[in-house]
Amino acid sequence: DIQMTQSPSTLSASVGDRVTITCRASQSISSWLAWYQQKPGKAPKLLIYKASSLESGVPSRFIGSGSGTEFTLTISSLQPDDFATYYCQHYNTYPWTFGHGTKVEIK
Amino acid sequence: EVQLLESGGGLVQPGGSLRLSCAASGFTFSSYAMTWVRQAPGKGLEWVSAISGSGGDTYYADSVKGRFTISRDNSKNTLFLQLNSLRAEDTAVYYCAKALGYCTSTSCLWYFDYWGQGTLVTVSS
Repeated sequence: DIQMTQSPSTLSASVGDRVTITCRASQSISSWLAWYQQKPGKAPKLLIYKASSLESGVPSRFIGSGSGTEFTLTISSLQPDDFATYYCQHYNTYPWTFGHGTKVEIK
Repeated sequence: EVQLLESGGGLVQPGGSLRLSCAASGFTFSSYAMTWVRQAPGKGLEWVSAISGSGGDTYYADSVKGRFTISRDNSKNTLFLQLNSLRAEDTAVYYCAKALGYCTSTSCLWYFDYWGQGTLVTVSS
């Protein structure tokens, strides 16, 4: 099975900061990677698919990049609504697996 | 508007069974694969099971294989997950989600674009 490793596990930042979350796959997954945002007590929300394609309705400050085994999610200017936990998910092949998550906290 | 509404969660004893349902609306249900993802209290997301649009192909995580069964009723726009031989480690919020993508001859490239609000399953004596 393909393992997904996210870093950092927790990130403290201020409104307006540029933040970057990394996701590494244990083997190449081409560009078959999605990013989700989850707030406490809520369902995950799709942000990015195919590594860099922005889901409809998602603000353009969310930027996905990467291919192969290394991927990043960048929030260009952190907004109050962005404090949440972020998960990557590969969909290169079954089983589809998630990273362990990165919690973005208020500094 | 796509809506997914899970139900059927609750408290069950170890070794017991439960059937989760997910009522879908706002899209052509039979045209899309569906999936279940769970989240143990305070933990991350764990993919559990998926089913093709026709229901002919099913997939399971190793942790639930042989104990859980995914199915769907396309005439009623409803997804199911039968949970048998439940263990304490199955305690989680179970989410259903709509899958987007396609299948090749060797794999299905599915990510999940809409999610329900989740239903809590607690396994405890």
